[in-house]
Amino acid sequence: AQSVTQLDSQVPVFEEAPVELRCNYSSSVSVYLFWYVQYPNQGLQLLLKYLSGSTLVKGINGFEAEFNKSQTSFHLRKPSVHISDTAEYFCAVNLNTDKLIFGTGTRLQVFP
Amino acid sequence: DAGITQSPRHKVTETGTPVTLRCHQTENHRYMYWYRQDPGHGLRLIHYSYGVKDTDKGEVSDGYSVSRSKTEDFLLTLESATSSQTSVYFCAISESGAPGNTIYFGEGSWLTVV
Repeated sequence: AQSVTQLDSQVPVFEEAPVELRCNYSSSVSVYLFWYVQYPNQGLQLLLKYLSGSTLVKGINGFEAEFNKSQTSFHLRKPSVHISDTAEYFCAVNLNTDKLIFGTGTRLQVFP
Repeated sequence: DAGITQSPRHKVTETGTPVTLRCHQTENHRYMYWYRQDPGHGLRLIHYSYGVKDTDKGEVSDGYSVSRSKTEDFLLTLESATSSQTSVYFCAISESGAPGNTIYFGEGSWLTVV
């Protein structure tokens, strides 16, 4: 069973517009949630993570995500995107183990 | 940036030949991972190590083996490469296996099997 689902494989958006990248997970146990970004021909780097506490998590580059336990979601948002935000974004979940499970990724394309 | 070096960064090999990818870290982290990235699949765990000589399988381990004789080095071997193993391979490290720990990634190794 898929533990983390990213429903949108591609999201096109114009520069300075807001964006939301969706992530849903399936688990009844404690989860730890992550968003990673991958710029072209590079490795992944951490944007933000939720471990516990406040459900609104702020990350690098102006991104934030909200943990919603009732909807089992962890959507990533940015109020105003830049061309430089063009990249692939991965949601990942740790089901209280020593391994991360990744979603299939969402390609964000920002147009001028 | 986390001190992770993958080699080679690019390789073209023939079907049936063995291939070894190397991951070297300078962070003295206990955990090391090998993932493969394919379109439509995201990143999938191949094998991981939780200490010297301690390794375990991930979700796509068939056709791959690993070894870790030193803390800093984690080798991934394709015993007999097939075209389905054409992929981008990422090494990653983590200080420990604690669920909230950040996993840091290398720059990737592009492997083409012809």
